[in-house]
Amino acid sequence: GEDVEQSLFLSVREGDSSVINCTYTDSSSTYLYWYKQEPGAGLQLLTYIFSNMDMKQDQRLTVLLNKKDKHLSLRIADTQTGDSAIYFCAESRDNAGNMLTFGGGTRLMVKP
Amino acid sequence: DAEITQSPRHKITETGRQVTLACHQTWNHNNMFWYRQDLGHGLRLIHYSYGVQDTNKGEVSDGYSVSRSNTEDLPLTLESAASSQTSVYFCASGTSGSYEQYFGPGTRLTVT
Repeated sequence: GEDVEQSLFLSVREGDSSVINCTYTDSSSTYLYWYKQEPGAGLQLLTYIFSNMDMKQDQRLTVLLNKKDKHLSLRIADTQTGDSAIYFCAESRDNAGNMLTFGGGTRLMVKP
Repeated sequence: DAEITQSPRHKITETGRQVTLACHQTWNHNNMFWYRQDLGHGLRLIHYSYGVQDTNKGEVSDGYSVSRSNTEDLPLTLESAASSQTSVYFCASGTSGSYEQYFGPGTRLTVT
């Protein structure tokens, strides 16, 4: 199976919180990332977390990492229509964060 | 402003033809990467380079080649295009030791 797995789709109402989940299999992952892809565009790094951290908060974004369960989540507070995009979880296994393995992406739809 | 560009943005070619996709970055990054994006698979690494004259195979390298003759460019060549290579191709670059990769806008390739 895939090394990094995500659910395909999430729909929320504007103003609600969104939680996008990801599971990974390699316990040696050093960095874990969330990338955002808007239609017709490349990927943009949203945030990342080191494998020795449990949580990271950056404005509306909160990343939670459960190393025991190999589970990563991205919470977007006060979700806006501009947050509609595909969100990719990724892991890297080298210390420099160069070799990325991506999940299949979660399409977030925000309804007004 | 520094940037990463890909050309062409869209390409239609016939089975068996040789195709080269260009990637150019002006950040003077040592590391450059090629990924393909297919529905349900996220991004998969094709080839990567850590510097001039350095090239390495990624997860899905069969049927592809790259060369790195300078810092700015990493062209991706499909030696004999196959329908299975219809995909969206993304180039990315990053500095050695940095956790972040910067992605180009992508090239949509259709092999008929």
